[in-house]
Amino acid sequence: DSGVTQTPKHLITATGQRVTLRCSPRSGDLSVYWYQQSLDQGLQFLIQYYNGEERAKGNILERFSAQQFPDLHSELNLSSLELGDSALYFCASSVGKLAGALGEQFFGPGTRLTVL
Amino acid sequence: GENVEQHPSTLSVQEGDSAVIKCTYSDSASNYFPWYKQELGKRPQLIIDIRSNVGEKKDQRIAVTLNKTAKHFSLHITETQPEDSAVYFCAEGGGSNYKLTFGKGTLLTVNP
Repeated sequence: DSGVTQTPKHLITATGQRVTLRCSPRSGDLSVYWYQQSLDQGLQFLIQYYNGEERAKGNILERFSAQQFPDLHSELNLSSLELGDSALYFCASSVGKLAGALGEQFFGPGTRLTVL
Repeated sequence: GENVEQHPSTLSVQEGDSAVIKCTYSDSASNYFPWYKQELGKRPQLIIDIRSNVGEKKDQRIAVTLNKTAKHFSLHITETQPEDSAVYFCAEGGGSNYKLTFGKGTLLTVNP
């Protein structure tokens, strides 16, 4: 157990719908990262937050958004869902103390999203 | 770091043999190079990492080497065991970049 929790574990929804994925980082970690993992694309970095502020952005679609709350938990919102959004979504956390000094990221168990 | 090439995509070895996975990157400012192991249906977990001021790091049967000039780094697993079977991901980042860019993964199968 990494100490990172994600809910829900599984999510099945229809095209056009909107869902929210939730992540709670390890105690003491200020950085939260979101990744999308599909069979043919590996681990794709979506976005990172540090202590409530967006710090880095990857290949995140405009239909997707995220935020980190004052208690440091984070939510990833996916809207106007398409079949191709079906994937495993991981959240990871790290201390993220020093700017630009990366360290171990601890991954949550993931949320499996299926869009029908 | 925007691009990481990882090879091979699949690797099958006999128990007790060594396995080597290689990655190349493009951003010369990258200074952090971790390797993650992901077993089927589970989360990725860090197994070893190296920073750009070090050329080699070893932890029991696992070692990582870094060649900054050539911009490539490798994972070496010796005396492989069936429980080493998993997908291994390399990644790079740091410097001016807060994010990690992952390779596409290598499926390692260790045959008993």
